[in-house]
Amino acid sequence: DAMVIQNPRYQVTQFGKPVTLSCSQTLNHNVMYWYQQKSSQAPKLLFHYYDKDFNNEADTPDNFQSRRPNTSFCFLDIRSPGLGDAAMYLCATSREGGESYEQYFGPGTRLTVT
Amino acid sequence: GQNIDQPTEMTATEGAIVQINCTYQTSGFNGLFWYQQHAGEAPTFLSYNVLDGLEEKGRFSSFLSRSKGYSYLLLKELQMKDSASYLCAVRDSNYQLIWGAGTKLIIKP
Repeated sequence: DAMVIQNPRYQVTQFGKPVTLSCSQTLNHNVMYWYQQKSSQAPKLLFHYYDKDFNNEADTPDNFQSRRPNTSFCFLDIRSPGLGDAAMYLCATSREGGESYEQYFGPGTRLTVT
Repeated sequence: GQNIDQPTEMTATEGAIVQINCTYQTSGFNGLFWYQQHAGEAPTFLSYNVLDGLEEKGRFSSFLSRSKGYSYLLLKELQMKDSASYLCAVRDSNYQLIWGAGTKLIIKP
């Protein structure tokens, strides 16, 4: 089945220790998104890629960076995680030009910072 | 600024009907989405409205009034598994999704 896969599902890192979250998709969608979601809050868009074009949200901290080496994979790098970065990180994809442009989400990676 | 408003929490009884409202103020409009999110899981797509009116999909229906900046999600024949958060999201003129904080729906037997 075509899907969005995120690894790992749970990640524990130490304060200040760099961490990388990964996302892959078999949907062949041209747009990929990274969201941060904290408990009982709306998902907050961090970045999105339209094909290879990188779009950084204005309020995304410099501590967060992203890479998309090819259509299928996307990575979120947190250079120096702080306690406030503990959250669920959601990867999503969409196909621009589709009927509704709905976003398909991966299962998320829950990040804990100790 | 852009804003999506929905109630924080609602409670309903198994087998009943519940309506979750969403009002929005965005820079442009290119469609409204409803997503369901169970605790600790990712959002899953429920419905999409771009024209005024009612879209029905099984037990779930979604309504849109663009002139009023208003939508609702109607859930019929509620089941315990419908306990989840329901997120309203609007795609603005830049085709970016503006998300509401979600409505936590609690179903009681």
